[in-house]
Amino acid sequence: DAKTTQPTSMDCAEGRAANLPCNHSTISGNEYVYWYRQIHSQGPQYIIHGLKNNETNEMASLIITEDRKSSTLILPHATLRDTAVYYCIVRVGGATNKLIFGTGTLLAVQP
Amino acid sequence: SQTIHQWPATLVQPVGSPLSLECTVEGTSNPNLYWYRQAAGRGLQLLFYSVGIGQISSEVPQNLSASRPQDRQFILSSKKLLLSDSGFYLCAWTTKRQAIAFFGQGTRLTVV
Repeated sequence: DAKTTQPTSMDCAEGRAANLPCNHSTISGNEYVYWYRQIHSQGPQYIIHGLKNNETNEMASLIITEDRKSSTLILPHATLRDTAVYYCIVRVGGATNKLIFGTGTLLAVQP
Repeated sequence: SQTIHQWPATLVQPVGSPLSLECTVEGTSNPNLYWYRQAAGRGLQLLFYSVGIGQISSEVPQNLSASRPQDRQFILSSKKLLLSDSGFYLCAWTTKRQAIAFFGQGTRLTVV
C-alpha cells in the first residue's frame, strides 16, 4: 500500500472550515483514499473514502487532486467535538482489507 | 444493522495471568475481523486479522494469539501477560469488498 504523509498537528477555529491535507505521491491507480478519525479513548470512526472524484457526505468532503498524489479532507464547520486524530490511509480493496494506521494529524478545534 | 460487541471495557490483570478478550459481530456474515492495540500515547498497531473461520494472520510477533471459532466471533488470548501487554485493544470488522472498518468500543487492559 502507498505511504501517506500528514502534518502532525493543526489548529482550527470553531465554526470555520478545517482542511486536512494528505500526501500520497506513490498511490497506484486502483488504490482508494480512506479517512478515519479517532476521538480520545474511542475506536476510530470511518469518515469518507474516494478513488478519483471528489466525494461529500454528511460528515465531510474529500478533494482528490487530478494526479491523485494528494488529497484534502474538509470539515465545513468545525465544532469542538471534531477535535481528534485524523488518519489518511490508501488501500486497495481486496480480500484482507487490512488498514494500517499511521500517526495521523491531531486537529485541535479552538473555541 | 450491523453492530460489534467487545468486552470487557476495562480489565486489570496481574503479570503472568492469562487473558481472553472476546469480540462478536452481528448483522453481517463472513466479515474480515481485526485486532488492534494502542499503547498509551502511541498509534494503532494491527495485531491479527482473519478472513474466515480458523484463518488467522499475525502482523507482529508477540505474547498474544487470536482465534476465530465462529464466523462472527474473534478472540484475543494470552497464556501469560507481560507488563508491555498493557494498552487499549480494539476489535474491528470490514466486508471483503471495501476497507470501511467498524470498531468496537475497546478494552483498556492494565497489567500490574
